[in-house]
Amino acid sequence: AQSVTQLGSHVSVSEGALVLLRCNYSSSVPPYLFWYVQYPNQGLQLLLKYTSAATLVKGINGFEAEFKKSETSFHLTKPSAHMSDAAEYFCAVSETSYDKVIFGPGTSLSVIP
Amino acid sequence: DTAVSQTPKYLVTQMGNDKSIKCEQNLGHDTMYWYKQDSKKFLKIMFSYNNKELIINETVPNRFSPKSPDKAHLNLHINSLELGDSAVYFCASSQLAGGFTDTQYFGPGTRLTVL
Repeated sequence: AQSVTQLGSHVSVSEGALVLLRCNYSSSVPPYLFWYVQYPNQGLQLLLKYTSAATLVKGINGFEAEFKKSETSFHLTKPSAHMSDAAEYFCAVSETSYDKVIFGPGTSLSVIP
Repeated sequence: DTAVSQTPKYLVTQMGNDKSIKCEQNLGHDTMYWYKQDSKKFLKIMFSYNNKELIINETVPNRFSPKSPDKAHLNLHINSLELGDSAVYFCASSQLAGGFTDTQYFGPGTRLTVL
């Protein structure tokens, strides 16, 4: 069965520092993978998704993620954190395009001025 | 224009009451969802409808009944509310042509508090 784990329920970075949010998945087939962001008191918004094309996926707001099959990982990175990046980030997986999307527990990102 | 809207934004009610949450999307999508987000931010799918037809029905108490009068609306009715129903409920929509992996667009959420 598919599942997602996110290492670190809370991550703090300084403004301008590298953002690294970790996501590992469990799937019996090459999965579809997603990162969603939830700003305070708002709904979720798609940052990027992997659908078996290029392993390095670029998303909105300068974020990118790399699919590594050997590590079953899909970590999210951004070279330089902005204050506006403070939010909850969710990694999600779906085994096929017609399986429901399973969300991870989320990682709360704080950006320190 | 709001793509996915939900009403009300906040709902405070007593145990045992019946309440409804409404959701509307103006994106022309075929598929709509209800998710529950608990106090630890864990997000879990409850239901999904495609063109007014139920296609996902997770293990949810039968006190929860979704209704889709047309493909732009998916309402959630909850009977006999319990303390454990307190959560944020999100509506979302997507096209089904690409399966569930098409981008889902989320509403702003309805924070339900049961006293």
